[in-house]
This record gives sequence, structure tokens and C-alpha cells, in this order.
Amino acid sequence: SQQGEEDPQALSIQEGENATMNCSYKTSINNLQWYRQNSGRGLVHLILIRSNEREKHSGRLRVTLDTSKKSSSLLITASRAADTASYFCATMNSGYSTLTFGKGTMLLVSP
Amino acid sequence: GAVVSQHPSRVICKSGTSVKIECRSLDFQATTMFWYRQFPKQSLMLMATSNEGSKATYEQGVEKDKFLINHASLTLSTLTVTSAHPEDSSFYICSVSTGYQETQYFGPGTRLLVL
Repeated sequence: SQQGEEDPQALSIQEGENATMNCSYKTSINNLQWYRQNSGRGLVHLILIRSNEREKHSGRLRVTLDTSKKSSSLLITASRAADTASYFCATMNSGYSTLTFGKGTMLLVSP
Repeated sequence: GAVVSQHPSRVICKSGTSVKIECRSLDFQATTMFWYRQFPKQSLMLMATSNEGSKATYEQGVEKDKFLINHASLTLSTLTVTSAHPEDSSFYICSVSTGYQETQYFGPGTRLLVL
């Protein structure tokens, strides 16, 4: 069943601008992960944040997690045309078993 | 991370035929493999989880007799769509992990079109 819900569903920005995507979920989690998918391709793991963490950075990516609000955000700074893709959040429960994906945000970065 | 391949990358078949999709972990001993289905502009839906040497665990609503999964080795899992129909047309993606590893590594996907 769907767990994460991303918003916005689609985001269009210019190169150099920052892109922020949000994800909400419903049940308790062990960790939350963000993935990127280029059109018609597989998924690439971007970053993982555990339930006891509040913020994590990786290069131009910044992820926050608010377990009290059951929400997370992904910030991509200084975006590039190559960042154009769909971005999905996925939650993993305490059993370390399966990932439940959200519906995704389609990001378009124009040169 | 692990390198995962899928074969074929795309397949077109007639209604009623069966299609086999392979998922290979090229540099990683995958004790667990996952199969997802993704319809256009939608999210990934987990179909089943397979552990090497044992029967797959299917998600609710996924017919195990229609989607046959074999995980015969630590590097290969196959998904067979039996008696495929047009509504089975979708993007099928596999992923691998060591079971208790937090990160899954995804294959490039297989696009199935059933005419």
C-alpha cells in the first residue's frame, strides 16, 4: 500500500535555483530514503535518513525528517539540467523488510 | 553500490504468451531480491520479495500463479508473467539487498508491452 505522498507532483525551475520536495507518511518507520528515476530507467539511491536523525547532507542534497509530523523534505541546491528526473521517497519499517514508495515528484530543470 | 542488470530491457508479446524477465546481481551476493511494477507516471508497487532458495512472498493482490518468481541463486532471480494480457503491460523493476541491508540497488527495468 502507498505510504509516502510527495508534493508537489511536478516542479519546474530554472538552473541555479533550489528545488524542494516534500514527503509525508502514515506509519512508524525505521528510515526514509530518497531515490531518483530518470525517464524510463531504474532508480538511483540518493540518501537515507534514519528515524533518530533530523537532517542529513550529501553534496547538493539536504534531507530533513520530522517524525512528529511524519514528514521529510529533500532540498536540491543550485539545480542543474541534469537533475531533471522523478524523485521518490520510500519508507522502511522497523523490520528492515520492504520499501514503500510514494507517488513521486517530477522535477524539470530548464537551462 | 551493487550493479544490477535486467534482461530483456523491453519486450513485446502477444496476449496469452508467457514472458520471462531476468534480474542479475553482477557484483553482489543478493540474499533478497524484490520485484516491483510501475505503471506510467505512477509509483513503484512492490509485487513480491524473494529470498534465495525459498518461495517468494507476494504482496496482497498479486497473483502468485500469474507472476512466477524463482530465486535460484544469490545472483539471479526471474519473474515469469504467465498468460500475459494487455493489462499486464508495465515497467517491471527488480532490486537486490542482503536482506537486512537498508539500501536496495535497482535494476534498469524491463518494459513489457502485451498486444
